[in-house]
Amino acid sequence: DGGITQSPKYLFRKEGQNVTLSCEQNLNHDAMYWYRQDPGQGLRLIYYSQIVNDFQKGDIAEGYSVSREKKESFPLTVTSAQKNPTAFYLCASSIYQGMNTEAFFGQGTRLTVV
Amino acid sequence: AQKITQTQPGMFVQEKEAVTLDCTYDTSDQSYGLFWYKQPSSGEMIFLIYQGSYDEQNATEGRYSLNFQKARKSANLVISASQLGDSAMYFCAMREGGGSQGNLIFGKGTKLSVKP
Repeated sequence: DGGITQSPKYLFRKEGQNVTLSCEQNLNHDAMYWYRQDPGQGLRLIYYSQIVNDFQKGDIAEGYSVSREKKESFPLTVTSAQKNPTAFYLCASSIYQGMNTEAFFGQGTRLTVV
Repeated sequence: AQKITQTQPGMFVQEKEAVTLDCTYDTSDQSYGLFWYKQPSSGEMIFLIYQGSYDEQNATEGRYSLNFQKARKSANLVISASQLGDSAMYFCAMREGGGSQGNLIFGKGTKLSVKP
């Protein structure tokens, strides 16, 4: 079945560590996105990519990094510079970045700093 | 300023009744799209319905309909014949068609609880 796979579902990070969240899609979508969700909040855009080898900062990119070496994959690294990384992270993709295209989401990764 | 405003943090509805979830938006673009997503407790975001700014008819998808009032910049979601499985968070979102590259912007959501 086509879809978006995020792994792991739960992730624990020690202070000062970098961690990488995986996002893979087999929908042949050009555009991919990373969102962060905090309790009682909507989704906030971290990074997005419209095409392989290109990505742009979203509203809250500080402390995060991404790569887009393959169309199918858009991993997110939460660096030690991110002071409050505990949150629910959602990866999404859309066929392109048009105003009428819905985004499809993965199941999410819940990151906790211990 | 917020681009998407959902003023109802929580809503209750009796099973089998209809419920309206409010959403207002702010944009200066003429071309934009409005979306509603459902987020169950498991966390995934499920696309429900889409309305384009140029669409003259209100969008409908099964039990979901979108009450689009362009002049008031509102895009309320109507769920008819509520079911227990409709209990979830609901998010309104917008994509603008102009220079913002069309990213989805989300509201803070409404938590819907369906009572048996």
